[in-house]
Amino acid sequence: QVQLVESGGGVVQPGGSLRLSCATSGFPFDRYAMHWVRQAPGKGLEWVALIWYDATNIYYGDSVKGRFTISRDYSKDTVYLQMNSLRAEDTAVYYCARAYCEGHCNSPGLEPLRDWGQGTLVTVSS
Amino acid sequence: NLMLTQPHSVSESPGKTVTISCTANSGSIASKYVQWYQQRPGSAPTIVIYQDDGRPSGVPDRFSASIDFSSNSASLTISGLKTEDEADYYCQSYNSNNQGVFGGGTKLTVL
Repeated sequence: QVQLVESGGGVVQPGGSLRLSCATSGFPFDRYAMHWVRQAPGKGLEWVALIWYDATNIYYGDSVKGRFTISRDYSKDTVYLQMNSLRAEDTAVYYCARAYCEGHCNSPGLEPLRDWGQGTLVTVSS
Repeated sequence: NLMLTQPHSVSESPGKTVTISCTANSGSIASKYVQWYQQRPGSAPTIVIYQDDGRPSGVPDRFSASIDFSSNSASLTISGLKTEDEADYYCQSYNSNNQGVFGGGTKLTVL
């Protein structure tokens, strides 16, 4: 069955860095776009980043652009989120998600988030 | 750019029908597909509607959705409400910059 397991969360000081991992299994990793979505405590969902199945296109939310980097390792079936220059407002649970569509689709990557991991908590605090 | 607005909360009794709206305040709701996600307390989101009106296997047919082009909005309808439907619901789409966009979420109370 499809599994997405995030790890790497923790407490980091403002200005610090952290790398999140999302280990996947149960599907051909090289065929699916992957996303990161976050949720601050008590708040709604916020889209963070997208990487196409072949990594040829990458997009970021405005609030993280220039600070976060999404990447993927096909040998490990894992997607990463490198987070630099962290701020208090980056405190959130971070989810990875697999995207795919059925039938007629929008552009590649711009697909429903069909499977989600359980999330990993990042706390930015001094 | 696309922004999606949802009511903060809705409530209804078991067995009744409730509709949650998702209005595009800028941009067209029709430009990209709309999805709906359910999030129960302490759990990750799960998809209940994909590509405007598709229902994943395992999601009860009590869940349905539609797009109203005249009001530039999407709607999620849940009929025959059950207490287990109590959750937060989010609409989601993509803007013209290929960025994901979520609505602010609607807390559904089944009382």
